Amino acid sequence: NAGVTQTPKFQVLKTGQSMTLQCAQDMNHEYMSWYRQDPGMGLRLIHYSVGAGITDQGEVPNGYNVSRSTTEDFPLRLLSAAPSQTSVYFCASRFNYGYTFGSGTRLTVV
Amino acid sequence: SQELEQSPQSLIVQEGKNLTINCTSSKTLYGLYWYKQKYGEGLIFLMMLQKGGEEKSHEKITAKLDEKKQQSSLHITASQPSHAGIYLCGADIQGGSEKLVFGKGTKLTVNP
Repeated sequence: NAGVTQTPKFQVLKTGQSMTLQCAQDMNHEYMSWYRQDPGMGLRLIHYSVGAGITDQGEVPNGYNVSRSTTEDFPLRLLSAAPSQTSVYFCASRFNYGYTFGSGTRLTVV
Repeated sequence: SQELEQSPQSLIVQEGKNLTINCTSSKTLYGLYWYKQKYGEGLIFLMMLQKGGEEKSHEKITAKLDEKKQQSSLHITASQPSHAGIYLCGADIQGGSEKLVFGKGTKLTVNP
């Protein structure tokens, strides 16, 4: 098992550009989620999914879109990047007794 | 999230010393998770606690859940430089929800 794989690891965007952060897991986990981590703020939930075709908003969903067409993939789309979206993004999937996280995507919006 | 407060925010200890990190919730805890993060890396799952009074250990790390106090403590015995990093607690405070909230983390430095 590769666990939770996130791509890219680093990305620099210009304000107004759009992009998709990829997240894939090969453990057949139903639940997946996206968090952002900012200094002094901890981890905050952006969106989550309890299975293919089902998504819901977390604490900070504005400016982000998600879809879940397969169990394996849960991409996060930034519609029009803003400097406030500069952050480290983590994808996670749930197993029986916890959540496993990807290694993160460090995004800078200039 | 303000719903989970971790203390202390940072901790510097000498190798071999014991230490405790606390995670206190303003709401009922339905599940409490401890993670370790090295700078610039992902989160490593340590353990999950669900029942009041539950205690789990992994190598030299022990975590307990005090349901009445809505608090969990993480205790490291005989700390080593390899224990250094940021410790994060996360919790389900809605009951059966997948919407975890996290504390801001405790930065641990272990000096040799």
